[in-house]
Amino acid sequence: DIQMTQSPSSLSASVGDRVTITCRASQSISTYLNWYQQKPETAPKLLIYAASSLQSGVPSRFSGSGSGTDFTLTISGLQPEDFATYYCQETYSTGLTFGGGTKAEIK
Amino acid sequence: QVQLVQSGAEVKKPGASVKVSCKASGYTFTNYIIHWVRQAPGQRLEWMGWINAGNGNTKYSQRFQGRVTITRDTSASTAYMELSSLRFEDTAVYYCARSCSSSTCRYYYYYYMDVWGKGTAVTVSS
Repeated sequence: DIQMTQSPSSLSASVGDRVTITCRASQSISTYLNWYQQKPETAPKLLIYAASSLQSGVPSRFSGSGSGTDFTLTISGLQPEDFATYYCQETYSTGLTFGGGTKAEIK
Repeated sequence: QVQLVQSGAEVKKPGASVKVSCKASGYTFTNYIIHWVRQAPGQRLEWMGWINAGNGNTKYSQRFQGRVTITRDTSASTAYMELSSLRFEDTAVYYCARSCSSSTCRYYYYYYMDVWGKGTAVTVSS
Protein backbone atom coordinates (compact mmCIF):
# COMPACT_ATOMS: atom_id res chain seq x y z
CA ASP A 1 0.00 0.00 0.00
CA ILE A 2 0.98 3.61 -0.53
CA GLN A 3 1.88 5.43 2.69
CA MET A 4 0.53 8.95 3.20
CA THR A 5 2.37 11.19 5.64
CA GLN A 6 0.95 14.51 6.79
CA SER A 7 2.79 17.32 8.48
CA PRO A 8 2.49 18.84 10.91
CA SER A 9 0.39 16.45 12.96
CA SER A 10 -0.99 19.45 14.81
CA LEU A 11 -0.78 23.20 14.51
CA SER A 12 -1.79 26.20 16.56
CA ALA A 13 -2.95 29.28 14.66
CA SER A 14 -4.95 32.45 15.06
CA VAL A 15 -8.05 33.58 13.22
CA GLY A 16 -6.94 35.25 10.02
CA ASP A 17 -3.69 33.29 9.69
CA ARG A 18 -2.62 31.58 6.48
CA VAL A 19 -2.16 27.89 7.18
CA THR A 20 -0.44 25.27 5.05
CA ILE A 21 -0.71 21.51 5.58
CA THR A 22 1.52 19.10 3.70
CA CYS A 23 0.82 15.56 2.55
CA ARG A 24 3.52 13.33 1.11
CA ALA A 25 2.95 10.03 -0.70
CA SER A 26 5.45 7.16 -0.57
CA GLN A 27 5.30 6.93 -4.36
CA SER A 28 3.98 9.07 -7.18
CA ILE A 29 0.20 9.33 -7.25
CA SER A 30 -0.16 11.95 -10.00
CA THR A 31 -3.07 14.14 -8.81
CA TYR A 32 -5.10 11.34 -7.20
CA LEU A 33 -5.36 13.18 -3.91
CA ASN A 34 -8.40 14.37 -1.97
CA TRP A 35 -8.65 16.50 1.18
CA TYR A 36 -11.28 16.21 3.92
CA GLN A 37 -12.12 18.20 7.04
CA GLN A 38 -13.44 16.48 10.14
CA LYS A 39 -14.82 18.08 13.28
CA PRO A 40 -15.18 16.13 16.52
CA GLU A 41 -17.92 13.52 16.55
CA THR A 42 -18.92 14.26 12.95
CA ALA A 43 -18.35 12.67 9.56
CA PRO A 44 -15.60 13.98 7.27
CA LYS A 45 -16.44 16.65 4.73
CA LEU A 46 -14.91 16.80 1.25
CA LEU A 47 -12.91 19.99 0.58
CA ILE A 48 -10.67 19.36 -2.42
CA TYR A 49 -10.54 16.56 -4.99
CA ALA A 50 -8.03 15.72 -7.71
CA ALA A 51 -5.41 17.68 -5.75
CA SER A 52 -6.68 21.16 -6.63
CA SER A 53 -10.39 21.12 -7.51
CA LEU A 54 -12.58 22.89 -4.95
CA GLN A 55 -15.70 20.94 -4.01
CA SER A 56 -18.94 22.81 -4.64
CA GLY A 57 -19.99 24.88 -1.64
CA VAL A 58 -16.56 24.94 -0.01
CA PRO A 59 -15.26 28.47 0.70
CA SER A 60 -12.60 29.76 -1.68
CA ARG A 61 -10.14 30.32 1.18
CA PHE A 62 -9.39 26.60 0.85
CA SER A 63 -7.04 25.61 -1.94
CA GLY A 64 -4.99 22.58 -2.87
CA SER A 65 -1.91 22.07 -4.98
CA GLY A 66 0.69 19.50 -5.89
CA SER A 67 1.25 16.42 -7.97
CA GLY A 68 3.44 13.36 -7.85
CA THR A 69 4.38 12.86 -4.20
CA ASP A 70 4.00 16.28 -2.56
CA PHE A 71 0.74 18.09 -1.92
CA THR A 72 -0.45 21.05 0.11
CA LEU A 73 -3.73 22.26 1.51
CA THR A 74 -3.77 26.00 2.18
CA ILE A 75 -6.32 27.94 4.19
CA SER A 76 -6.02 31.64 3.41
CA GLY A 77 -7.45 33.48 6.36
CA LEU A 78 -8.35 30.91 9.00
CA GLN A 79 -11.90 31.25 10.33
CA PRO A 80 -13.25 30.03 13.69
CA GLU A 81 -15.17 27.24 11.96
CA ASP A 82 -11.96 25.93 10.35
CA PHE A 83 -10.55 24.56 13.58
CA ALA A 84 -10.77 20.85 12.85
CA THR A 85 -8.70 17.87 11.72
CA TYR A 86 -7.70 17.63 8.07
CA TYR A 87 -6.98 14.40 6.21
CA CYS A 88 -5.52 13.73 2.80
CA GLN A 89 -6.42 10.56 0.90
CA GLU A 90 -4.78 8.98 -2.12
CA THR A 91 -7.02 7.30 -4.67
CA TYR A 92 -4.26 6.16 -7.03
CA SER A 93 -3.89 2.68 -5.60
CA THR A 94 -6.42 0.06 -4.59
CA GLY A 95 -5.85 0.96 -0.95
CA LEU A 96 -7.37 4.48 -0.97
CA THR A 97 -5.14 5.31 2.01
CA PHE A 98 -5.71 8.29 4.30
CA GLY A 99 -2.99 10.34 5.92
CA GLY A 100 -2.63 10.52 9.67
CA GLY A 101 -4.41 13.84 9.98
CA THR A 102 -3.48 17.40 10.96
CA LYS A 103 -5.33 18.93 13.88
CA ALA A 104 -5.72 22.70 13.65
CA GLU A 105 -6.23 24.33 17.04
CA ILE A 106 -6.81 27.88 18.20
CA LYS A 107 -3.73 29.73 19.45
CA GLN B 1 -31.96 16.44 0.16
CA VAL B 2 -29.18 14.02 -0.61
CA GLN B 3 -28.40 11.91 2.43
CA LEU B 4 -27.12 8.59 3.66
CA VAL B 5 -28.79 7.27 6.80
CA GLN B 6 -26.99 4.56 8.71
CA SER B 7 -28.28 1.97 11.15
CA GLY B 8 -27.81 2.32 14.89
CA ALA B 9 -24.99 1.47 17.25
CA GLU B 10 -24.03 -2.16 17.81
CA VAL B 11 -22.31 -4.08 20.59
CA LYS B 12 -20.85 -7.43 19.62
CA LYS B 13 -18.74 -10.14 21.20
CA PRO B 14 -15.37 -11.19 19.77
CA GLY B 15 -15.79 -13.67 16.96
CA ALA B 16 -19.27 -12.47 16.03
CA SER B 17 -20.31 -10.60 12.89
CA VAL B 18 -21.90 -7.20 12.45
CA LYS B 19 -23.95 -5.88 9.54
CA VAL B 20 -24.38 -2.13 9.11
CA SER B 21 -26.83 -0.57 6.68
CA CYS B 22 -26.70 2.70 4.74
CA LYS B 23 -29.92 3.96 3.14
CA ALA B 24 -29.61 6.51 0.37
CA SER B 25 -32.17 9.16 -0.49
CA GLY B 26 -32.40 12.28 -2.61
CA TYR B 27 -30.48 10.88 -5.57
CA THR B 28 -30.45 7.89 -7.94
CA PHE B 29 -28.82 5.17 -5.85
CA THR B 30 -27.62 3.10 -8.80
CA ASN B 31 -25.65 5.98 -10.31
CA TYR B 32 -23.10 6.07 -7.51
CA ILE B 33 -20.51 4.05 -5.64
CA ILE B 34 -20.87 3.48 -1.91
CA HIS B 35 -17.69 3.30 0.18
CA TRP B 36 -17.21 2.10 3.73
CA VAL B 37 -14.64 3.88 5.89
CA ARG B 38 -13.96 3.26 9.56
CA GLN B 39 -12.29 5.23 12.34
CA ALA B 40 -11.09 3.65 15.56
CA PRO B 41 -10.97 5.93 18.62
CA GLY B 42 -8.30 8.59 18.15
CA GLN B 43 -7.11 6.99 14.90
CA ARG B 44 -6.98 7.93 11.24
CA LEU B 45 -9.68 7.13 8.73
CA GLU B 46 -9.37 3.70 7.13
CA TRP B 47 -10.99 2.74 3.82
CA MET B 48 -12.54 -0.73 3.81
CA GLY B 49 -14.11 -1.19 0.41
CA TRP B 50 -16.71 -0.02 -2.09
CA ILE B 51 -19.62 -1.28 -4.10
CA ASN B 52 -20.84 0.07 -7.41
CA ALA B 53 -24.53 0.35 -6.58
CA GLY B 54 -25.40 0.06 -10.26
CA ASN B 55 -23.69 -3.16 -11.30
CA GLY B 56 -22.85 -4.60 -7.88
CA ASN B 57 -19.11 -4.76 -8.50
CA THR B 58 -17.05 -4.60 -5.31
CA LYS B 59 -13.50 -3.75 -4.32
CA TYR B 60 -12.05 -4.44 -0.88
CA SER B 61 -9.00 -3.25 0.99
CA GLN B 62 -6.48 -6.07 1.27
CA ARG B 63 -6.44 -5.45 4.99
CA PHE B 64 -10.05 -6.62 5.28
CA GLN B 65 -10.17 -9.10 2.41
CA GLY B 66 -11.94 -12.24 3.54
CA ARG B 67 -13.61 -10.57 6.54
CA VAL B 68 -15.70 -7.86 4.92
CA THR B 69 -18.63 -8.21 2.53
CA ILE B 70 -20.38 -5.24 0.96
CA THR B 71 -23.74 -5.75 -0.69
CA ARG B 72 -26.62 -3.62 -1.87
CA ASP B 73 -30.37 -3.84 -2.35
CA THR B 74 -31.33 -1.56 -5.20
CA SER B 75 -35.06 -1.85 -4.44
CA ALA B 76 -34.38 -0.36 -1.01
CA SER B 77 -31.61 2.02 -2.10
CA THR B 78 -29.52 0.53 0.69
CA ALA B 79 -25.96 -0.69 0.96
CA TYR B 80 -24.70 -3.06 3.63
CA MET B 81 -21.31 -3.79 5.16
CA GLU B 82 -20.81 -7.02 7.06
CA LEU B 83 -17.62 -7.58 9.05
CA SER B 84 -17.01 -11.04 10.42
CA SER B 85 -14.70 -12.60 13.02
CA LEU B 86 -14.80 -9.40 15.07
CA ARG B 87 -11.83 -8.50 17.27
CA PHE B 88 -11.51 -5.92 20.03
CA GLU B 89 -9.57 -3.71 17.60
CA ASP B 90 -12.59 -3.55 15.28
CA THR B 91 -14.20 -1.18 17.77
CA ALA B 92 -14.73 1.93 15.66
CA VAL B 93 -17.19 4.27 14.01
CA TYR B 94 -18.12 2.93 10.57
CA TYR B 95 -19.10 5.44 7.88
CA CYS B 96 -20.65 4.99 4.47
CA ALA B 97 -19.98 7.61 1.81
CA ARG B 98 -20.76 7.96 -1.86
CA SER B 99 -18.64 8.81 -4.87
CA CYS B 100 -19.79 9.15 -8.43
CA SER B 101 -19.49 6.33 -10.93
CA SER B 102 -18.58 6.34 -14.60
CA SER B 103 -22.25 6.87 -15.43
CA THR B 104 -22.48 10.13 -13.46
CA CYS B 105 -19.25 12.05 -13.68
CA ARG B 106 -16.22 12.42 -15.84
CA TYR B 107 -13.67 12.19 -13.06
CA TYR B 108 -15.21 9.23 -11.22
CA TYR B 109 -11.78 7.58 -10.89
CA TYR B 110 -10.75 10.15 -8.27
CA TYR B 111 -13.23 8.42 -5.95
CA TYR B 112 -13.93 11.63 -4.04
CA MET B 113 -16.54 11.06 -1.33
CA ASP B 114 -18.93 13.98 -1.38
CA VAL B 115 -21.76 12.73 0.86
CA TRP B 116 -21.25 10.83 4.11
CA GLY B 117 -23.49 9.08 6.58
CA LYS B 118 -23.33 10.12 10.23
CA GLY B 119 -21.54 6.93 11.22
CA THR B 120 -22.40 3.79 13.18
CA ALA B 121 -20.52 2.98 16.36
CA VAL B 122 -19.55 -0.67 16.65
CA THR B 123 -18.17 -1.83 19.98
CA VAL B 124 -16.55 -5.23 20.34
CA SER B 125 -16.60 -6.27 23.97
CA SER B 126 -16.68 -9.50 25.90
